[in-house]
Amino acid sequence: QVQLVESGGGVVQPGTSLRVSCAASGFTFSGYAMHWVRQAPGKGLEWLAIISYDEINKFYADSVKGRFTISRDNSKNTLYLEMNSLRPDDTAVYYCARRGSAPYSRSPGAFDLWGQGTMVIVSS
Amino acid sequence: QSALTQPASVSGSLGQSITISCTGTTTDIGRYNYVSWYQQHAGQVPKLIIYEVTHRPSGISNRFSGSRSGNTASLTISGLQAEDEADYYCNAYTISDTYVFGTATKVTVL
Repeated sequence: QVQLVESGGGVVQPGTSLRVSCAASGFTFSGYAMHWVRQAPGKGLEWLAIISYDEINKFYADSVKGRFTISRDNSKNTLYLEMNSLRPDDTAVYYCARRGSAPYSRSPGAFDLWGQGTMVIVSS
Repeated sequence: QSALTQPASVSGSLGQSITISCTGTTTDIGRYNYVSWYQQHAGQVPKLIIYEVTHRPSGISNRFSGSRSGNTASLTISGLQAEDEADYYCNAYTISDTYVFGTATKVTVL
């Protein structure tokens, strides 16, 4: 079954760090670029970051550049998002998504497969 | 990178057609063919319905169609059905190798 399953969300205090994960199955994870996207409660989608299939290229939204780090372990079929200096406005559901261009491609593409999301709440 | 601009809400009667606009700039929508659209029902995960401006993924109804003119992309839903009531988001690839979503449009079926 082709799927993405996020984990690692929870309630954390402002200023602390958290790492969320995304486990992939049912497809060749190592061949696809992957995104992180978040959605604050009652708000729209916000793109956060992308990592190429081979981890060579990483790009970030200005809103999280320098605080968030995207990474992957292709041997474990897992994508990560390390979040530092968390703020209350980082409270959101965090989704991982697959970039749907051809495998082993560096071409841009749509978000063709999404996980169910993991909730992160930043609150004292 | 500022969010792409979408109307906050669009409504239509059953069977009618509606169009949702998505306005960007010459550095995103106006520059690349990588515009996509997503449907999100309340409490659910977003679903890809249009990619590369005009293409529908397998399994998506042909009632959904996409187009672009200059810096503005559009999603048209024809033969509006009750199940089409949802939030819709556009997304575009940008000159900075990043991506940006639109501000969301809530579609109401009257």
